[in-house]
Amino acid sequence: AQSVTQPDIHITVSEGASLELRCNYSYGATPYLFWYVQSPGQGLQLLLKYFSGDTLVQGIKGFEAEFKRSQSSFNLRKPSVHWSDAAEYFCAVVLSGGYQKVTFGTGTKLQVIP
Amino acid sequence: KAGVTQTPRYLIKTRGQQVTLSCSPISGHRSVSWYQQTPGQGLQFLFEYFSETQRNKGNFPGRFSGRQFSNSRSEMNVSTLELGDSALYLCASSADIYEEQYFGPGTRLTVT
Repeated sequence: AQSVTQPDIHITVSEGASLELRCNYSYGATPYLFWYVQSPGQGLQLLLKYFSGDTLVQGIKGFEAEFKRSQSSFNLRKPSVHWSDAAEYFCAVVLSGGYQKVTFGTGTKLQVIP
Repeated sequence: KAGVTQTPRYLIKTRGQQVTLSCSPISGHRSVSWYQQTPGQGLQFLFEYFSETQRNKGNFPGRFSGRQFSNSRSEMNVSTLELGDSALYLCASSADIYEEQYFGPGTRLTVT
């Protein structure tokens, strides 16, 4: 069965430090990949997505993610974290072909300290 | 363009009761998905509707059901509520399942 793993439940970084959130998936083929952010009291918002092509994708709010087929990973990065980035981040995957469902990871909660 | 709306925003029900939640997608979106969000479990997929047809269903008991109307508005129903059904229920709409999903604010259901 398809699965998405976000191994880090909680991450704390200092403001201005770099950030990397991990996401691994288990599928036979390359899926469609997404990162969403859920800020406190707000709905989920798409940060970026990967369908095909360049494996480094740019998103909103200065985030980027790199698809690595050999590692079945789609890690989210940001070079310099801002206090407003404190939120919960979800990786999501959809298989291609047919009627598929979106599978979300369990999320990584990011805390930013001054 | 108006966003995804969900009603009601908050609900308190008693065990054994049933509940109906409503979702109005973004205009033009034909795909509506429902998720259950609980702490530590992330978002658990309930079902997805496209043009009034259920295309996919998650691993939830038959007490959870849904439907979609011709105007793409969707409802989900939970019968015989259990304490474990307490959660945030999120609705998301998209042009299709492979496209960006736009989420509503959710309905917070508390079962006592």
